[in-house]
Amino acid sequence: NAGVTQTPKFQVLKTGQSMTLQCAQDMNHEYMSWYRQDPGMGLRLIHYSVGAGITDQGEVPNGYNVSRSTTEDFPLRLLSAAPSQTSVYFCASSYGDRPHETQYFGPGTRLLVL
Amino acid sequence: AQSVAQPEDQVNVAEGNPLTVKCTYSVSGNPYLFWYVQYPNRGLQFLLKYITGDNLVKGSYGFEAEFNKSQTSFHLKKPSALVSDSALYFCAVAAGTASKLTFGTGTRLQVTL
Repeated sequence: NAGVTQTPKFQVLKTGQSMTLQCAQDMNHEYMSWYRQDPGMGLRLIHYSVGAGITDQGEVPNGYNVSRSTTEDFPLRLLSAAPSQTSVYFCASSYGDRPHETQYFGPGTRLLVL
Repeated sequence: AQSVAQPEDQVNVAEGNPLTVKCTYSVSGNPYLFWYVQYPNRGLQFLLKYITGDNLVKGSYGFEAEFNKSQTSFHLKKPSALVSDSALYFCAVAAGTASKLTFGTGTRLQVTL
């Protein structure tokens, strides 16, 4: 199993540009989520999905869109990038949507918005 | 709302000495508590979790954590630190019926020779 994979590893954008961060998992996990990590703030939940076709907002959803057309993939879209979106983005997945489930994280995407 | 506090930004310990990384939490209902470790330029790796039962939880790489309900704490411990344990450690909590994790701000562990 490759686990949770993310592409790209690093990206530089100009303000106003759009891009999609890719996330895929091969563990047949139902629950997938996106976090951003900023210095001194830990990880904050952006969006999550409890299964194909179902998504919901987390703690910091503004400026981001998601969709879940398959169990395996959960892309994160930035429609118009802003410098405040400079961060490290992590995708995670778990078998189910229960609070005791262990979430497994991808390697991250480092995003710089100029 | 649920929250996690990691009161120490950095913990310094000599190799071979015991280490403790502190975590306290606040939730409504029963907590599910997790520790993750992050090495430089890497994703988060799961170390251990508390669901229910025995208050002492053993995890990967010789780490363990003690759940204390009265003090709402879940401190991470290791009897003998290694230089290779140097990393960023995150405590997280989930509660209720959903899998949403709330993370602490992280504690950097520095183990020196």
